[in-house]
This record gives sequence, C-alpha cells and structure tokens, in this order.
Amino acid sequence: ETGVTQTPRHLVMGMTNKKSLKCEQHLGHNAMYWYKQSAKKPLELMFVYSLEERVENNSVPSRFSPECPNSSHLFLHLHTLQPEDSALYLCASSQVGSSGANVLTFGAGSRLTVL
Amino acid sequence: GESVGLHLPTLSVQEGDNSIINCAYSNSASDYFIWYKQESGKGPQFIIDIRSNMDKRQGQRVTVLLNKTVKHLSLQIAATQPGDSAVYFCAERFSGGYNKLIFGAGTRLAVHP
Repeated sequence: ETGVTQTPRHLVMGMTNKKSLKCEQHLGHNAMYWYKQSAKKPLELMFVYSLEERVENNSVPSRFSPECPNSSHLFLHLHTLQPEDSALYLCASSQVGSSGANVLTFGAGSRLTVL
Repeated sequence: GESVGLHLPTLSVQEGDNSIINCAYSNSASDYFIWYKQESGKGPQFIIDIRSNMDKRQGQRVTVLLNKTVKHLSLQIAATQPGDSAVYFCAERFSGGYNKLIFGAGTRLAVHP
C-alpha cells in the first residue's frame, strides 16, 4: 500500500460525458500532483497543489479541471474529452517545506479510455 | 496487469547479472535526482535518490551515479532478479518551492532466468 489511493482504477467514457478522478493521500503530505502517462509521451506533469493552492498548471486544456478541497484529497474533473486523452492518470503527494529533498509518492493510477 | 504501452528502449539481462540503466537529464540547475521503478499495473515506486552535491549513492543492491559534467545519471542493480523486471524512470527536480519533478522517457528492464 503506497498511502496514495486513486479511484476509479479504470474508467471508460464517451466524449460528451462528465466524470471525475479521485485521489486521497494518507501520508500527511502538503502537496499533491496530477501526472499523465500515455503511450506517446513519458510522465507529464499536469497540475500541482501546494498547501491547497494551485502552483502549477502545465498548459493543460480546460477540459481537465483539478480541485483540491483539502490537503488529503485531489480531484480531476473531466469534461468533453478527446480520444487522445486516453492515458493513465497518476496522482502523487509529497511533503514540501521540510529540510532535505522530498520524494513523490504515487498512487496506482486511473486508466482512462475515451471512446 | 496493465501495460503503459510505451515504446521504450529495453535492457535484457540474465538473472544474477548486474544491470546498468542510463539517463540523460536536461537542466544543469537541477539539484536533486530520483530513480523510480514502475511495475505493470502499478504507479512509480521510489528506488533511490541523489543530491547534486554527490556523485554516488548506494542502497540495497542499487547504486546511483551522477556525472554533472555531462548531465548523466545511471542506476546500477546488482545481482538482478526476476522481480526487478519493470520500467525504470529517472527524474530531475527543477528548483522551486515545491517538488517539480520532470521524468525521462524510461527504460524497460527484462530479466531472463
């Protein structure tokens, strides 16, 4: 158990659907991340929340909308996606601000297929 | 299990041999580097890290070497086992107030009995 839980593990949706991915971390960390992992590219950073404030939005299309209601939960709201958005979406958390370098702990990912 | 489906370079080794996985990083100002292992159906798992003021760090059966002159990182796995079969990613941390990790493309390690 990595301490970062993602649901659902698998999601199939049509291009007109609205769905959400959920991430929960049980590690007491204060930063959370969304990464996209697809067949065409390596791990791509999408969003970063540090102390519940979005500090990075890496040129992600507006059809992806993140939400971080508290330091333990992170959502990725999906709307009007395209087939090329099919990928593994990975959530991670870390503890920033403490001494020393900090490691990202990843969840198992949510495999998204857009039809 | 799931496959991430990446068309990755593959390193094939015999069980018991040593493995060396290489990585080139991009930013000379990066101050911290990590190796992750990703098995099928799982998220990346931390293996070992190294700060930019070091050139070598050893863990259990793994060693990371850092050559800042040529911006090169390597992961050495001693006595490779079937359980080491996975995709290995290096990541560099760009300086900033949070941990912005940029990942390399990855290398698939296949261990044969």
